[in-house]
Amino acid sequence: EEQLVESGGDLIQPGGSLRLSCAASGFTVSSNYMSWVRQAPGKGLEWVSVIFSGGNKYYADSVKGRFTISRDNSKNTLDLQMNSLRAEDTAVYYCARDRRYTNGPAFDIWGQGTMVTVSP
Amino acid sequence: DIQMTQSPSSVSASVGDRVTITCRASQGVRTWLAWYQQKPGNAPKLLIYAASSLQSGVPSRFSGSGSETAFTLTISSLQPEDFATYYCQQSNSFPYTFGQGTKLEIK
Repeated sequence: EEQLVESGGDLIQPGGSLRLSCAASGFTVSSNYMSWVRQAPGKGLEWVSVIFSGGNKYYADSVKGRFTISRDNSKNTLDLQMNSLRAEDTAVYYCARDRRYTNGPAFDIWGQGTMVTVSP
Repeated sequence: DIQMTQSPSSVSASVGDRVTITCRASQGVRTWLAWYQQKPGNAPKLLIYAASSLQSGVPSRFSGSGSETAFTLTISSLQPEDFATYYCQQSNSFPYTFGQGTKLEIK
């Protein structure tokens, strides 16, 4: 079964750093496009970042320069290094596989999410 | 950035009803549009990709249509398990963007 499991969420002070990890099973992270999507409490979904199978990376403006997406091929994981955290980064963070369907990509597999709370 | 606008923001309906949710993009996204269902406390679930293709395992009462700037998600006969929040999302260009969500509630 293809599955994603996130970890690393925590309560962190503003200005702090946190690293999230997403472990994949049943498929290879490095062979796929992989994204992070977040959801603030009671709010909608916000795309955060993507890493292509070829290694290209893109970020939402709201996190550019502060967050870094990467993958560990030996562990088959997707990571998100989050620096200079702000209160507005408080959210559930999901990793998702960005499946490259012919006529339109979509997130076909999602993890269960990990909660990041940024507060003094 | 491409803005995605869903309507309505919320809708009340009964089991057996037909419901249509609309999603409009601020610029053309071809058919690079997906629909997701999210229930409280759960991750989103892919329903429709490429505007009209049904994801494997999703009931056939769900259907999608549209292209470029106008899209619809239709549930032909509501079932109790369909009461949830629905999101559209474009993947035509970065940043990927989602609609604000449509909450489908029981009447």
